[in-house]
Amino acid sequence: ETGVTQSPTHLIKTRGQQVTLRCSSQSGHNTVSWYQQALGQGPQFIFQYYREEENGRGNFPPRFSGLQFPNYSSELNVNALELDDSALYLCASSLGGREQFFGPGTRLTVL
Amino acid sequence: QQQVKQSPQSLIVQKGGISIINCAYENTAFDYFPWYQQFPGKGPALLIAIRPDVSEKKEGRFTISFNKSAKQFSLHIMDSQPGDSATYFCAVGPYNFNKFYFGSGTKLNVKP
Repeated sequence: ETGVTQSPTHLIKTRGQQVTLRCSSQSGHNTVSWYQQALGQGPQFIFQYYREEENGRGNFPPRFSGLQFPNYSSELNVNALELDDSALYLCASSLGGREQFFGPGTRLTVL
Repeated sequence: QQQVKQSPQSLIVQKGGISIINCAYENTAFDYFPWYQQFPGKGPALLIAIRPDVSEKKEGRFTISFNKSAKQFSLHIMDSQPGDSATYFCAVGPYNFNKFYFGSGTKLNVKP
């Protein structure tokens, strides 16, 4: 059984650019949540996808968007990048239950 | 509004000692209280979780104490080991939906 994987590991972008981060769920999991973790802070909930539909959203602007595919993998897209978007982006998968399994994250740096 | 406040920010404990981390929450509608452990370069991993119908839950060396009236809960790590050195996060949220609010984290350093 493979765990949650994320790509890329690190990414450097400049202000105003767009970025796509990818997440492969743990085998059999149908729910993916995305979190933003700023340096020295706890993760903040961005949104969740359940069976390809957005199923809840945190306090993030519309330039943060996502997709979930039929194989339950997921993408996080961020448009018009701002300096404050620099953070570790985590995805977590679950099978509709409480226990979320987190991936190692993608470290995004916006210059 | 900050949904959960975690303290202390950092903690140094001698090997074999007890590590205690505290969290306080605001929203009484929350009914799921997990603790996560995060090592550098890794995502958080679920350590132990509790629901408000019990006041204490123990799993090995890890215990959650829950005080519903005070809206507080804490993590106790007994016989702390250097391998426990990590950042610990409490979280709160609704049991039927994985939208968690995380605390700001406690960096634990267990000295050998």
